[in-house]
Amino acid sequence: DQQVKQNSPSLSVQEGRISILNCDYTNSMFDYFLWYKKYPAEGPTFLISISSIKDKNEDGRFTVFLNKSAKHLSLHIVPSQPGDSAVYFCAASGLGGGKLIFGQGTELSVKP
Amino acid sequence: EAQVTQNPRYLITVTGKKLTVTCSQNMNHEYMSWYRQDPGLGLRQIYYSMNVEVTDKGDVPEGYKVSRKEKRNFPLILESPSPNQTSLYFCASTALGTAQPYHEQFFGPGTRLTVL
Repeated sequence: DQQVKQNSPSLSVQEGRISILNCDYTNSMFDYFLWYKKYPAEGPTFLISISSIKDKNEDGRFTVFLNKSAKHLSLHIVPSQPGDSAVYFCAASGLGGGKLIFGQGTELSVKP
Repeated sequence: EAQVTQNPRYLITVTGKKLTVTCSQNMNHEYMSWYRQDPGLGLRQIYYSMNVEVTDKGDVPEGYKVSRKEKRNFPLILESPSPNQTSLYFCASTALGTAQPYHEQFFGPGTRLTVL
């Protein structure tokens, strides 16, 4: 029973264009949503988060949008750069115990 | 340099041979956690610890043990490994008492375990 889902295993985008990564969730108890980025042979690193009381959070080239009614969030990267090529994990928190519930990940490839 | 270290990075073992994966952090974090990453499943929490001598089960604790005798160390123990424990394992830590605890979890580089 996957509470956080990333339905696109991969995404390919041209350098300079927008990358949009999507994530759906089922549990309305989640109070924070996060994106982590993972390069090969490294651990995930925190990228950006959003509280459930907001609908947008921006940090440089990265913006996360939250649509609570649809239980959907997305990460926008503008403009995309080749160094953004990585696996992106969506995660949610709020169930206690410091638990992060992760999605399956989306592998982003930004082509020069 | 602030970091989470794991050892070994790669391990191939056989069914039933006890093993320990070590995890250490130098950031004085209270919270530590173990995850496993499997294709199509993302990262799933195995065990976590809120502080020294305080541990609790995550989503997939079966077949694993942990201990937290010191703040900096959080080893993962497989008493009798089985092939279904073949996976990529990550240790993570974070400071509690911040505005948004748990969110910026700092991950180690991972341990790739193969159980034959």
